[in-house]
Amino acid sequence: DAGVIQSPRHEVTEMGQEVTLRCKPISGHDYLFWYRQTMMRGLELLIYFNNNVPIDDSGMPEDRFSAKMPNASFSTLKIQPSEPRDSAVYFCASSPPPGTGHYNEQFFGPGTRLTVL
Amino acid sequence: SQQGEEDPQALSIQEGENATMNCSYKTSINNLQWYRQNSGRGLVHLILIRSNEREKHSGRLRVTLDTSKKSSSLLITASRAADTASYFCATDASYSGAGSYQLTFGKGTKLSVIP
Repeated sequence: DAGVIQSPRHEVTEMGQEVTLRCKPISGHDYLFWYRQTMMRGLELLIYFNNNVPIDDSGMPEDRFSAKMPNASFSTLKIQPSEPRDSAVYFCASSPPPGTGHYNEQFFGPGTRLTVL
Repeated sequence: SQQGEEDPQALSIQEGENATMNCSYKTSINNLQWYRQNSGRGLVHLILIRSNEREKHSGRLRVTLDTSKKSSSLLITASRAADTASYFCATDASYSGAGSYQLTFGKGTKLSVIP
């Protein structure tokens, strides 16, 4: 398996622009997580899905952020409009269902480094 | 809010020495995990220890868990330059004995192993 795939790897945009980050989880995994990592705040959970349904979005900073999972193999995190304080590395991770021997273990993608000017 | 807090924030050792990192957490857990992050990369799972376990080994890694003190330690023996990375502990929340898929990560310990 190719692992969790994220695109783009780097994104530079100007304040006010819409940004869409993409994630393809590992096939067969039914949990998907979006995280944001900064030096100041560390790794923060933004939202997670189970079987394509959002379970907890309490970490989404504000209404400018939205996430969707239209099917088991694709998720997006959208920021509209973007602001300089959104600059961070955004990670997607996925987890397999119970009984697979990797219970609760999260497999991370390589991340998207977002810079908002 | 941060559940796990690693200590020290940074650690620099010579190749061949052992590295010990500590993690403290606040609430009851079902399990605790350690992850490694190389610069510019995503996190990689290293080891999971359940709340009813006290010690676990995997290769050169040794993890201990003391639920009475709400703390864990990660020991890397005979360190190598390739072990240079940041190390994070992650805890789930325990609800009525069942685990949670949601993990809370600490801010990490940055380990530098000097050749």
